[in-house]
Amino acid sequence: EPEVTQTPSHQVTQMGQEVILRCVPISNHLYFYWYRQILGQKVEFLVSFYNNEISEKSEIFDDQFSVERPDGSNFTLKIRSTKLEDSAMYFCASSGPVGEGTEAFFGQGTRLTVV
Amino acid sequence: RKEVEQDPGPFNVPEGATVAFNCTYSNSASQSFFWYRQDCRKEPKLLMSVYSSGNEDGRFTAQLNRASQYISLLIRDSKLSDSATYLCVVIDTGGGNKLTFGTGTQLKVEL
Repeated sequence: EPEVTQTPSHQVTQMGQEVILRCVPISNHLYFYWYRQILGQKVEFLVSFYNNEISEKSEIFDDQFSVERPDGSNFTLKIRSTKLEDSAMYFCASSGPVGEGTEAFFGQGTRLTVV
Repeated sequence: RKEVEQDPGPFNVPEGATVAFNCTYSNSASQSFFWYRQDCRKEPKLLMSVYSSGNEDGRFTAQLNRASQYISLLIRDSKLSDSATYLCVVIDTGGGNKLTFGTGTQLKVEL
């Protein structure tokens, strides 16, 4: 069964450092997403990506964040200068075209710990 | 008003019980609705889509009331393995196909 894969599963970084979280979405999907979940809190939308550009982003997704699809398979989230409050589980997801199975499938997540 | 609202629970029920979760959403233009399940420290996993006519998958029944902007999930004959957080998810019209999550309802099924 096709699945979304994320690497690494756990990343520890020092405050102020840059991190790149990597995702390989399901191959025939067109929409890609990043979500985050701070421990004990709800799943929060960060950004959606379609047709090689950002289609929507939340207030959380400020100038410190960027996304990229550098090749035909990877989808990355970069945090330029991490803060303590960026510590969370980051989930990548992908979905098909609207109207054709719009359900999104999630990767297993990257647990980011900023120290 | 929150975009997607759920009772956080926890709901503690005995094995075999029937339990129902409710969810309300604020955007009347929302187009697609789902229930996801999330186990502790794991990713959300699709449980079922919610259709206007209502739909059933084994012990699980989902219903949508567009007029009241209300979604429900019914679990019959609950099992210990049903213990998890159940997330109500809504996709709005407009660009991005963004999924908006409720806070989740925690279910604990006990012996």
